[in-house]
Amino acid sequence: QSVLTQPPSASGTPGQRVTISCSGRSSNIGSNYVYWYQQLPGTAPKVLIHSNNQRPSGVPDRFSGSKSGTSASLAISGLRSEDEADYYCAAWDDSLSGVVFGGGTRLTVL
Amino acid sequence: QITLKESGPTLLKPTQTLMLTCTFSGFSLTTSGMGVGWIRQPPGKALEWLAVIYWDDDRRYSPSLKSRLTITRDTSKNQVVLTMTNMDPVDTATYYCAHVRQIWRPPDYWGQGTLVTVSS
Repeated sequence: QSVLTQPPSASGTPGQRVTISCSGRSSNIGSNYVYWYQQLPGTAPKVLIHSNNQRPSGVPDRFSGSKSGTSASLAISGLRSEDEADYYCAAWDDSLSGVVFGGGTRLTVL
Repeated sequence: QITLKESGPTLLKPTQTLMLTCTFSGFSLTTSGMGVGWIRQPPGKALEWLAVIYWDDDRRYSPSLKSRLTITRDTSKNQVVLTMTNMDPVDTATYYCAHVRQIWRPPDYWGQGTLVTVSS
């Protein structure tokens, strides 16, 4: 069972906006930066968002991150078929002295 | 450009020891704040963080696997090695190494991963 809680699935139609939530505790999300990863089938995870809401160069501005208290969210606007993938949140956990991941959310573009 | 690549055995028998090497380029593990971590993913399952080693040789391990893991570095070769003892079929997974650009943070750039199967 993962330390961070994500919904197992999400879906949307092309052009829609979808959000994926990530819930944690004061020892992880509550006091550290949140990262979001996209994992396309058969590939390694790729960072979409770092430091709660920062996009690395090359990541479209359709992807955005936010954090409030012990929860975080990833929003994807203008949904495209190529966004169909697994999405994971992660953060450092002060109590465990290590990185914790969410269980992942499979996004389906209908 | 930061790149990382994992190498090691693809098939192990139960009780054997796994040794994986991460060879990286585009950064130095002697630069303040930098680190290299290991993460695994069983087939069809979620990511699981294993360990990280930092520029100052500080090492952190997953509490649930700490007794079985050792992470070391060779800065002259730009390599980080992860050793996991007493392998079991449940340890079958794709193992990734990844670049950490700041201490106490999740990783940024990931290697392509290597599938390790444990079977008798």
